[in-house]
Amino acid sequence: GAVVSQHPSRVICKSGTSVKIECRSLDFQATTMFWYRQFPKQSLMLMATSNEGSKATYEQGVEKDKFLINHASLTLSTLTVTSAHPEDSSFYICSASLTSPVSQYFGPGTRLLVL
Amino acid sequence: SQKIEQNSEALNIQEGKTATLTCNYTNYSPAYLQWYRQDPGRGPVFLLLIRENEKEKRKERLKVTFDTTLKQSLFHITASQPADSATYLCALWGGSQGNLIFGKGTKLSVKP
Repeated sequence: GAVVSQHPSRVICKSGTSVKIECRSLDFQATTMFWYRQFPKQSLMLMATSNEGSKATYEQGVEKDKFLINHASLTLSTLTVTSAHPEDSSFYICSASLTSPVSQYFGPGTRLLVL
Repeated sequence: SQKIEQNSEALNIQEGKTATLTCNYTNYSPAYLQWYRQDPGRGPVFLLLIRENEKEKRKERLKVTFDTTLKQSLFHITASQPADSATYLCALWGGSQGNLIFGKGTKLSVKP
């Protein structure tokens, strides 16, 4: 149980385009979903926290107009990287929590490469 | 500022030996400490959670200790196998931020 999926698993795009990443909780309804970013040999860094039907809470230094998060249902959250640039190339990982945010179930990640 | 350090970037051991990974933190008072396994190009997989009032937790070949005085957690894998080769992440919950804070991880390689 408690499976989280992400789509796509990897994406290559041109600079200036927008990319949407989906995160789904497959067998449970997630009260909260989280988006992280991980650069090579670095720790996972939380970007934002979102609850279904409300605006996401962004961490300091994360541009909310650049990283659009939509949490339309208890099983789906999307992250859109708008006007992507090469420095946005990274590994984006989502997670979902069922009851407490202490216990998070992570997705397999999405590798984004912006050319 | 709050800091988590996983002392070794990489650890190489022989199959059958016990692997011991270290996680130290400063300027935190975590209520929980967690260990995750991460394989290349994959998301983290939860392994163990230990609470601030617990000294030790075990799960099969895994053992975690939590010393809030030393501000340190040790993660042990006994009878290690090549399949245990992965990056292991330490994560804290609590302190001034109500979210999970991750260390950079230790890459474990178990040689046959």
